[in-house]
Amino acid sequence: EVQLVESGGGLVQPGGSLRLSCAASGFTFSDHYMDWVRQAPGKGLEWVGRSTNKANSFPAFYAASVKGRFTVSRDDSKNSLYLQMNSLEIEDTAVYYCARTSGDWYFDLWGRGTLVTVSS
Amino acid sequence: DIQMTQSPSSLSASVGDRVTITCRASQGISNSLAWFQQKPGKAPKSLIYAASSLGSGVPSRFSATGSGTDFTLTISSLQPEDFATYYCQQYNSYPLTFGGGTKVEIK
Repeated sequence: EVQLVESGGGLVQPGGSLRLSCAASGFTFSDHYMDWVRQAPGKGLEWVGRSTNKANSFPAFYAASVKGRFTVSRDDSKNSLYLQMNSLEIEDTAVYYCARTSGDWYFDLWGRGTLVTVSS
Repeated sequence: DIQMTQSPSSLSASVGDRVTITCRASQGISNSLAWFQQKPGKAPKSLIYAASSLGSGVPSRFSATGSGTDFTLTISSLQPEDFATYYCQQYNSYPLTFGGGTKVEIK
């Protein structure tokens, strides 16, 4: 089955760190750019960051709101995408979705999301 | 950054109604636009890509047009399962950006 499954969410204090994982199955993970998108409670969707692929030497891109604090990485041997989140702020509280970028450059597959709550 | 502005932010409609949602980009994005549907507590679902191409398995009552800065999503005959929030998103340049969403509610 073609799917993405996120894990690693939870409660963390402001200033803390958390690492999210996204396990991919049912498709050739290494072929695709992969992204993180988040949604704060009751709010809209916000793109967080992108991991490109080996063919493009793996550069990553980030939203300004997380640049310097979050790092997107991938392990193609494990079909996994990661989001390392440091210096977490209350405003980072959200459901974090993993999304696959299709050959047509849009998000064609989404995971169910994992909730990150930043609170003291 | 490219700002995406959706209108209306919410609308009430009845089953069978024709519904149109608009999305405007703050600068030209060619046809690099996607539309997503999201129901409460669920992940977004891809509907439209390249401004007017229907995603896999998406019912034909959904259609979309536009290029440059102005885009529309149309549901020709609203069905009960279509009550949801709809988002546009540009993928022309970084940072990728979403519109604020349009909530389609039952009248």
